[in-house]
Amino acid sequence: DAGVIQSPRHEVTEMGQEVTLRCKPISGHNSLFWYRQTMMRGLELLIYFNNNVPIDDSGMPEDRFSAKMPNASFSTLKIQPSEPRDSAVYFCASSLRATNEKLFFGSGTQLSVL
Amino acid sequence: SQQGEEDPQALSIQEGENATMNCSYKTSINNLQWYRQNSGRGLVHLILIRSNEREKHSGRLRVTLDTSKKSSSLLITASRAADTASYFCATDETSGSRLTFGEGTQLTVNP
Repeated sequence: DAGVIQSPRHEVTEMGQEVTLRCKPISGHNSLFWYRQTMMRGLELLIYFNNNVPIDDSGMPEDRFSAKMPNASFSTLKIQPSEPRDSAVYFCASSLRATNEKLFFGSGTQLSVL
Repeated sequence: SQQGEEDPQALSIQEGENATMNCSYKTSINNLQWYRQNSGRGLVHLILIRSNEREKHSGRLRVTLDTSKKSSSLLITASRAADTASYFCATDETSGSRLTFGEGTQLTVNP
């Protein structure tokens, strides 16, 4: 199994630009999570999906952030427009069931907004 | 807001020694999990302990859970340099549906 696959691995962009992060969960997993990690705030849950449906997006910082899961094997996290304070490592994770069992994390996307 | 708080924030030991990390939390939980994160990588699940369990072992890892004190500990025995990483506890609150991570303990094992 290839695990959770995220792309790109690194993203450097300028303030105001649109950023799209991508995630392919483990095949057969029903839940997908987007986390953000910073030194100041630690690991924060942004949004999670169950069976491709967004269940809890209360962690999404503001309207500039949006996430989609058009099918069971693909999800995107979009930031438009990006700001320097969005700089962080963004992780995607998946789990077999909807409840908070074992999460499998991708390698993350290091985002730098200049 | 963070549910779990790890203690200590940083720990440095010599290879072969045992490492103990603690996690405290605030609300009732269904389970508590420990994860490891190597520098520049994603988190890796280590062990899950349910609220009705008191102790669990996995290889060189030993986890305890005290729900009356709302605390857990992770013991790594006979540590190796490869154990150098950040360790996070994560709690699944009974009142919610999300897994909340603590701020982590940075463990350094010196060869």
